[in-house]
Amino acid sequence: AQSVTQLDSQVPVFEEAPVELRCNYSSSVSVYLFWYVQYPNQGLQLLLKYLSGSTLVKGINGFEAEFNKSQTSFHLRKPSVHISDTAEYFCALPFGNEKLTFGTGTRLTIIP
Amino acid sequence: KAGVTQTPRYLIKTRGQQVTLSCSPISGHRSVSWYQQTPGQGLQFLFEYFSETQRNKGNFPGRFSGRQFSNSRSEMNVSTLELGDSALYLCASSLAGTGLSPLHFGNGTRLTVT
Repeated sequence: AQSVTQLDSQVPVFEEAPVELRCNYSSSVSVYLFWYVQYPNQGLQLLLKYLSGSTLVKGINGFEAEFNKSQTSFHLRKPSVHISDTAEYFCALPFGNEKLTFGTGTRLTIIP
Repeated sequence: KAGVTQTPRYLIKTRGQQVTLSCSPISGHRSVSWYQQTPGQGLQFLFEYFSETQRNKGNFPGRFSGRQFSNSRSEMNVSTLELGDSALYLCASSLAGTGLSPLHFGNGTRLTVT
């Protein structure tokens, strides 16, 4: 079975500090991974995706993620966070051909 | 290009009633998926439609149903509402409708069942 695990439900970080949001996956087939962000009172939007090629993937708003096959991880990072990054972040894995399986989400809180 | 539009934004219903939620996808997108989001269960897949055909269905009871029209607009219906159906219902459209095609989400319909 395919699944994603987000170990941290909440991550508080001081403004301008770096952050890493963790995601581990389990899959018996080719791996494709996504990170989505949900700002308060909004739907989700795509941050970045890994389909193939370079294991370091750059996304919007200064975020990047690194695909690590040996550790079955796809952690999301940003070197310096801003208040506007306050949101919930979801790691996702395609399941079958038509849907995504989402992790339980990590709520990122930026402390001024 | 207009994004995914969900109506209404908020709904309050009573147990036992039924409700219909609407979703207009991005122009040109033929795939529409529905997800239920709750604090306890997170994001759970309900179903996906492509060109008016339901291609995949999640693990929800038969009270949850949906359909897609020829213009790709989609509706989902929940009959005999229960308190546990209170949630944010998110609709997402995609161009190709494969798991690799990025999903574009609407802002959701927040359903409260009392």
